[in-house]
Amino acid sequence: DTGVSQDPRHKITKRGQNVTFRCDPISEHNRLYWYRQTLGQGPEFLTYFQNEAQLEKSRLLSDRFSAERPKGSFSTLEIQRTEQGDSAMYLCASSLGQGTQETQYFGPGTRLLVL
Amino acid sequence: AQSVTQLDSHVSVSEGTPVLLRCNYSSSYSPSLFWYVQHPNKGLQLLLKYTSAATLVKGINGFEAEFKKSETSFHLTKPSAHMSDAAEYFCVVTDAGNNRKLIWGLGTSLAVNP
Repeated sequence: DTGVSQDPRHKITKRGQNVTFRCDPISEHNRLYWYRQTLGQGPEFLTYFQNEAQLEKSRLLSDRFSAERPKGSFSTLEIQRTEQGDSAMYLCASSLGQGTQETQYFGPGTRLLVL
Repeated sequence: AQSVTQLDSHVSVSEGTPVLLRCNYSSSYSPSLFWYVQHPNKGLQLLLKYTSAATLVKGINGFEAEFKKSETSFHLTKPSAHMSDAAEYFCVVTDAGNNRKLIWGLGTSLAVNP
């Protein structure tokens, strides 16, 4: 399967712990996105990479959140000192193309539960 | 500013009957429009997209959508619902001048009854 993959699929952690999620985009896709989705809502944009450069961050992304894409391939999203409000589905998407031809393809998500 | 309105938060149909999920958008230019589907506890799957080519767009699993600029609508249809179509459906439009930014509707939950 050559789609977007995410690991882990589920994560349960205690408040105050750090967690890290990984996203592997579709091969050769130069753009990678992170979203957060809470129950009953659509995805909320968190951040976006073009190759290894992080070009945009939402104000939703507090200082406890950091994302990297060191070699322009896979990306990691780290949440430090997790809070119960961080419980959500974290989605990764990748794309290739410009203008009206760009389409984002999503991974299966990582569901985080903070106790 | 761009926005998307999904007119029904919940739709319930019987298996074998037609599906209609309604979406209106507002945009000051010709946007790209998408429908994504999300099955319970799964990621988002692209159903179809409109990018200023044919106004009737065919997608996967028998779904299609028609772009009507005069009505600013992009309704999703399927002639005959299947039990496996039960899911959450999101209508999405791109932001004017920034095709990377997706503007999401609140979603329509489709239930299919046997």
